[in-house]
Amino acid sequence: DIQMTQSPSTLSASVGDSVTITCRASQSISSWLAWYQQKPGKAPNLLIYKASSLESGVPSRFSGSGSGTEFTLTISSLQPDDFATYYCQQYNSYLYSFGQGTKLEIK
Amino acid sequence: EVQLVESGGGLVKPGGSLRLSCAASGFTFSTYTMNWVRQAPGKGLEWVSSISSSSSYIYYADSVKGRFTISRDNAKNSLYLQMNSLRAEDTAVYYCARGGQWLGTSYFDLWGRGTLVTVSS
Repeated sequence: DIQMTQSPSTLSASVGDSVTITCRASQSISSWLAWYQQKPGKAPNLLIYKASSLESGVPSRFSGSGSGTEFTLTISSLQPDDFATYYCQQYNSYLYSFGQGTKLEIK
Repeated sequence: EVQLVESGGGLVKPGGSLRLSCAASGFTFSTYTMNWVRQAPGKGLEWVSSISSSSSYIYYADSVKGRFTISRDNAKNSLYLQMNSLRAEDTAVYYCARGGQWLGTSYFDLWGRGTLVTVSS
């Protein structure tokens, strides 16, 4: 099974900051990686697929990069609505797996 | 409106059974792979099971294999999860999520609001 590891687990930042979340896969997953945002009590929302493709309707301040085993999600110019938990997910294998999540908090 | 609506959650005793349903609307359900993902209280996301559009391909996480059964009824635009031999560690919000329209793996681009399953005596 493919293990996904995110870092950091918690990130404190201010409105207007730029932040980066890292996701590492235990083996190569090519570019088969998605990023989701989840707010408390809500379902996850797809942000990025195929490592760097922005889902329709998602603001352009969200961007993704990487391939193989290392990936990043960058949020530029943080907005109040961006404070949430972020998950990466690999879909290289039918045995899908998610990272443990990164909680983005207001500093 | 394009949406997924889960139902069937509730309180069940250890060893008991429960059947979750997911009603799809606003898109051609029969052409999409569908999935169940769960989230234990205060924890992260865990993929549970996937079923291809024609039910030809079905996959389970090791944690539920042999106890859970995924199925779908394309005529009713519905996805199901039959959960047997439930354990305390199955307590979670269960989400229905849409995959791709192709054979093969995919990201999940549409999620329901979830239904809470609590396994407790």
